[in-house]
Amino acid sequence: ILNVEQSPQSLHVQEGDSTNFTCSFPSSNFYALHWYRWETAKSPEALFVMTLNGDEKKKGRISATLNTKEGYSYLYIKGSQPEDSATYLCAFYYGNNRLAFGKGNQVVVIP
Amino acid sequence: NAGVTQTPKFRILKIGQSMTLQCTQDMNHNYMYWYRQDPGMGLKLIYYSVGAGITDKGEVPNGYNVSRSTTEDFPLRLELAAPSQTSVYFCASSYTRSPYEQYFGPGTRLTVT
Repeated sequence: ILNVEQSPQSLHVQEGDSTNFTCSFPSSNFYALHWYRWETAKSPEALFVMTLNGDEKKKGRISATLNTKEGYSYLYIKGSQPEDSATYLCAFYYGNNRLAFGKGNQVVVIP
Repeated sequence: NAGVTQTPKFRILKIGQSMTLQCTQDMNHNYMYWYRQDPGMGLKLIYYSVGAGITDKGEVPNGYNVSRSTTEDFPLRLELAAPSQTSVYFCASSYTRSPYEQYFGPGTRLTVT
């Protein structure tokens, strides 16, 4: 069973503050790492798919970095807004289009 | 495009009953997946399919069966429902080429009592 760890499990952020959280994954046989955003009462939606060591991806105020040699990825939210409140899922690709998901980082932005 | 649709949204089953969770996608994706989400846990892969007529077990297949007779449909069957199968079930699909991002349905909340 692949071990994908996300930390912290949950965090509360004041509106306007920036925050970041971590996804750790196996550093061997790396192919791709996915980030999904999951809002309450909705279904997960893809944010980023990262494949290269040193990759940086950005979508609005959310960005992600990737270190495949040491097996971690950071997700950053700059200037958090209430609409950023969601659970952010990290998933490690392990062949045949299968993903192993972490438990998620639950973010609550306090107005 | 409707994307990935699932029915029903909610269901309560008695122990030992059977049911089929329906999943349909209209994006012509070859790959389809069934996950379950339990509180405090990550999404766990139950079964997946790489194309019509081809299915394979995921991480937690016991107590479930699937079939894939068409590209669009991927139903999940529970034969003898048990309380341990109380969960939220998500169906997803993806393209066969990079970046392989998965598209999720709205989920089915199942309670077995």
